[in-house]
Amino acid sequence: KAGVTQTPRYLIKTRGQQVTLSCSPISGHRSVSWYQQTPGQGLQFLFEYFSETQRNKGNFPGRFSGRQFSNSRSEMNVSTLELGDSALYLCASRLGSGANVLTFGAGSRLTVL
Amino acid sequence: KQEVTQIPAALSVPEGENLVLNCSFTDSAIYNLQWFRQDPGKGLTSLLLIQSSQREQTSGRLNASLDKSSGRSTLYIAASQPGDSATYLCAVLQTGANNLFFGTGTRLTVIP
Repeated sequence: KAGVTQTPRYLIKTRGQQVTLSCSPISGHRSVSWYQQTPGQGLQFLFEYFSETQRNKGNFPGRFSGRQFSNSRSEMNVSTLELGDSALYLCASRLGSGANVLTFGAGSRLTVL
Repeated sequence: KQEVTQIPAALSVPEGENLVLNCSFTDSAIYNLQWFRQDPGKGLTSLLLIQSSQREQTSGRLNASLDKSSGRSTLYIAASQPGDSATYLCAVLQTGANNLFFGTGTRLTVIP
């Protein structure tokens, strides 16, 4: 079965712009999480959605937001981009909660100039 | 706040050697611990998941152990191959939380 699909894979933006990233989870998975990976900070949790509701949120400014649709697909949006937002954004899905295994997508690499 | 540390940060070994990667965490109240592999510029591939009630898991040449009381996990790779070259990350799912806390990773290079 298809894995977690993230689009776009690569994108370049300039400071002040906004960006929307998309994630399609594995079929049947209702939970989608987003993580940011940078060389300096490593992998950090952004937020998790389950059945269209944000269930958990990491320590990121309000410029980072997300949503989940009824088909479990999720989008995350970053407004007023800063140079420090350059990162690999990873999406992961799982069946529900608790001890389920997370399956990650290939990521969207954002470069802010 | 949960903190996850991995030592060493980088490791180079000749092909065929057995090796151990270490992971430590500060809060033992966890659901599970996962080991991931990440190739350059790519996403994460799950290697092994150990539930908090388990002591170890094995998959092929990989064996992961968990000592929850001491806050430690090890990933043992037997008979290393050049294709094992990658960054290995451990992550814990903390009780009461829905997100993973990741270590900083160990970059492994297996020299042919």
